[in-house]
Amino acid sequence: EPEVTQTPSHQVTQMGQEVILRCVPISNHLYFYWYRQILGQKVEFLVSFYNNEISEKSEIFDDQFSVERPDGSNFTLKIRSTKLEDSAMYFCASSELGQNQPQHFGDGTRLSIL
Amino acid sequence: GENVEQHPSTLSVQEGDSAVIKCTYSDSASNYFPWYKQELGKGPQLIIDIRSNVGEKKDQRIAVTLNKTAKHFSLHITETQPEDSAVYFCAAKGFAGNKLTFGGGTRVLVKP
Repeated sequence: EPEVTQTPSHQVTQMGQEVILRCVPISNHLYFYWYRQILGQKVEFLVSFYNNEISEKSEIFDDQFSVERPDGSNFTLKIRSTKLEDSAMYFCASSELGQNQPQHFGDGTRLSIL
Repeated sequence: GENVEQHPSTLSVQEGDSAVIKCTYSDSASNYFPWYKQELGKGPQLIIDIRSNVGEKKDQRIAVTLNKTAKHFSLHITETQPEDSAVYFCAAKGFAGNKLTFGGGTRVLVKP
């Protein structure tokens, strides 16, 4: 069964450094998402992406965050200058085009900011 | 914005018994409600979903019910097995866009 893959599984970064989290969505999916889960808290929506542009973003997704689809298979989340509070589990998801299509999640990248 | 509350936060059941998890949502325009199972070290895995034009959906031992008037939906797992032990999340999607709002999760432990 096709799946969403994320790399790395764990990223440790010094505060203030840039970090890029990578995702390979399911190949025929056209909608891509990033969510995050801070330890002990709810899974939170960050951003959705379709047709090479952001379609929706949350208040969390400020100017420090950006997303990109650099080629036909990868989808990335960049955090420009990391803060301690960016430490979380980051999940990528993808879905087919259409209303109320199921979102399929990767296994996540655990980001630890020191 | 949408708010989803999930209860209980932990649930311990004997193997073979049923488990029920309940979620409430705040946005009456929400129209899609998926349930995810998350095992240790893995991402959320979709197990069942329901759309607002349906009141109930069943897939083998798993069923979901939706009460739009009361704005709540529930996951029912029958004949629980040890491999059902995991964290379960409910979520809701509003009428516009594809953003999912998640509940806080329920840790289910099935005791053999």
